[in-house]
Formats: sequence, C-alpha cells, structure tokens
Amino acid sequence: DIQMTQSPSTMSASVGDTVTITCRASQSIDWWLAWYQQKPGKAPKLLIQKASSLEDGVPSRFSGRGSGTEFTLTISSLQPDDFATYYCQKYNAYPWTFGQGTRVEI
Amino acid sequence: QPQLQESGPGLVKPSETLSLTCTVSGASVNSNDYYWGWVRQPPGQTLEWIGSVYYSGSTNSQPSLRGRVTVSLDTSNNQFFLRLTSMTAADTAVYYCARGNFGRTTDPFDVWGQGTLVTVSS
Repeated sequence: DIQMTQSPSTMSASVGDTVTITCRASQSIDWWLAWYQQKPGKAPKLLIQKASSLEDGVPSRFSGRGSGTEFTLTISSLQPDDFATYYCQKYNAYPWTFGQGTRVEI
Repeated sequence: QPQLQESGPGLVKPSETLSLTCTVSGASVNSNDYYWGWVRQPPGQTLEWIGSVYYSGSTNSQPSLRGRVTVSLDTSNNQFFLRLTSMTAADTAVYYCARGNFGRTTDPFDVWGQGTLVTVSS
C-alpha cells in the first residue's frame, strides 16, 4: 500500500504568517491528492482535491501544489480560524490513505 | 446541502459486532452521482478509511480489516451501514460516515456526518 507522510507534525505560527505543509507519497499518485482541515471535535472539511483544485467556499489563501509524490498545502496570511489540524489523503486507488496530520498552532 | 447522521451503540464489548447506520437527507443513496463510505479516527490519531459502497452495491474495504467489515446500502430508507465484527480495544474510535461524488472519477469525501464515538470495553 502507498504510504503518505506529512511534515511537520506540528508547527507554531502567528496570524498573518504564511505556512506550508508537505505531504509525500511512497509511490506516484499523479495528482489524486486531497487536503482536509479538522478542528477539535469536528468532522474533517475538504479543502482541496486533485492536488490544487479549491473547493467552493474555501478561502483563496489556501492553495495546493504538486504531483507525483510530493505535494504542498500553503496557507497565506494565516487567520485565527485556520488554527487546526490538516490531513492529506491519496485517492488514486483503494485503499485510501491519510497522512498523519499537521497541527497548526499558535 | 445534504446531511448525514450516524447512529449506533456508543459501547461495544470485546469480540462483539459493531453495527452503525448512516441516515442520509438531501441526497439519494441510490443516485449514480454519489458513493458513500466510512472513516474512523482513534483518539488522538489520524483518519483511517474503512470502506466505500456505490449505488450499484459494489464495495471496497480496508485490506487490514478485510474479513471483518461489511458496508451496505438500504435504498428504501436512504441509509447505508457499517458492520465490523470481532471488535477489540484497537477499534475504539470516532466513526464518520461520508459522501463523495462519483462520475468519471471517484472524488474524495466532501460531505461528512458529525461522527459517533464507539468505545470497546467490557
């Protein structure tokens, strides 16, 4: 099975910062990568699919890049509402796999 | 906006079978535009995809759980189900049901239920 590795596992940031989270796949998944945001006690929220396609209603400060095995999620001008845990997920083929998560904290 | 709601026991004894129901409103489980699935999250850990079911009834499931997991649909009641046998403490988690769009491609889950905590304990 393809493994998904996120880094860092935790990052400290301030409002207004630009942060980048990396997700690496153990084999090529082309662009079949999604990013989710999860807040404590809540279900994940889909932010981006196909590596860079922003979901409707997701602020444009979120952006995704990459293909093959290396992907990034960038949050520009971090807002208070963005402090959360972010997960990548590959969906090129079953079984689907999530990364270990990156917690963005103040 | 469609809504999904999980229901089932919050406490299961070791070796017993977990049965969860996801009731869907605002979308039809019988639609060929969607597929349905289950994801779980043990406390403090990452998400784990459990299985998915399509309008046709075809399913895919997590290899590590194969033999224990069944995902199915009930189109008459607009619900879908998760059945997980031989529960152990390692299966303690928040269980989410979710929906994804299905067309030329199988898209990731974009609508989720609120989740239900299932604890395995005697």
